[in-house]
Amino acid sequence: DQQVKQNSPSLSVQEGRISILNCDYTNSMFDYFLWYKKYPAEGPTFLISISSIKDKNEDGRFTVFLNKSAKHLSLHIVPSQPGDSAVYFCAASGDTGNQFYFGTGTSLTVIP
Amino acid sequence: DTAVSQTPKYLVTQMGNDKSIKCEQNLGHDTMYWYKQDSKKFLKIMFSYNNKELIINETVPNRFSPKSPDKAHLNLHINSLELGDSAVYFCASSQFHGGGELFFGEGSRLTVL
Repeated sequence: DQQVKQNSPSLSVQEGRISILNCDYTNSMFDYFLWYKKYPAEGPTFLISISSIKDKNEDGRFTVFLNKSAKHLSLHIVPSQPGDSAVYFCAASGDTGNQFYFGTGTSLTVIP
Repeated sequence: DTAVSQTPKYLVTQMGNDKSIKCEQNLGHDTMYWYKQDSKKFLKIMFSYNNKELIINETVPNRFSPKSPDKAHLNLHINSLELGDSAVYFCASSQFHGGGELFFGEGSRLTVL
């Protein structure tokens, strides 16, 4: 029962271009969404979040968009840099008491 | 100084053995978690503790027993290890139960032979 899905296991983008990572969820009770970035042999680190009262949140080169009606969120990275190459996990939580549900991750490769 | 640290980082053991993974956070957080990342890269919660009290206990075999001696520590003990237990186990913490981002440890890769 996977409530958060990232259907693209990998993505390659040229340096300087936009990276768009997508995430879909099934539970309409989810109201808080996060993106995590993970380098090999390290734990995931928090990148950016958005609550359901907003449809966009921006932090530097990173912007997360939330479409509640479509149960879809996306992470935009502009411009993409080689150091952005990592696995990106989408996570969601609702009224279940801080239980975060994670997607399976998208491996981003930024080509210099 | 690592915020969330877990040991060991790598663990290779035989089926049937008992092993423990330790986790400590120095962030002053109230809530700690254990997540399992399986071979399909699916990161799934196993347990959460808030101030030493068990809050979330997902459908996990009772061979897995968490223990929180204080709110800065959450250890995971696994009895009678099976091949399917091979995975990366991540410890995490959050400031309080019900809110905030998770801070993860580096992960402990368990391989059961």
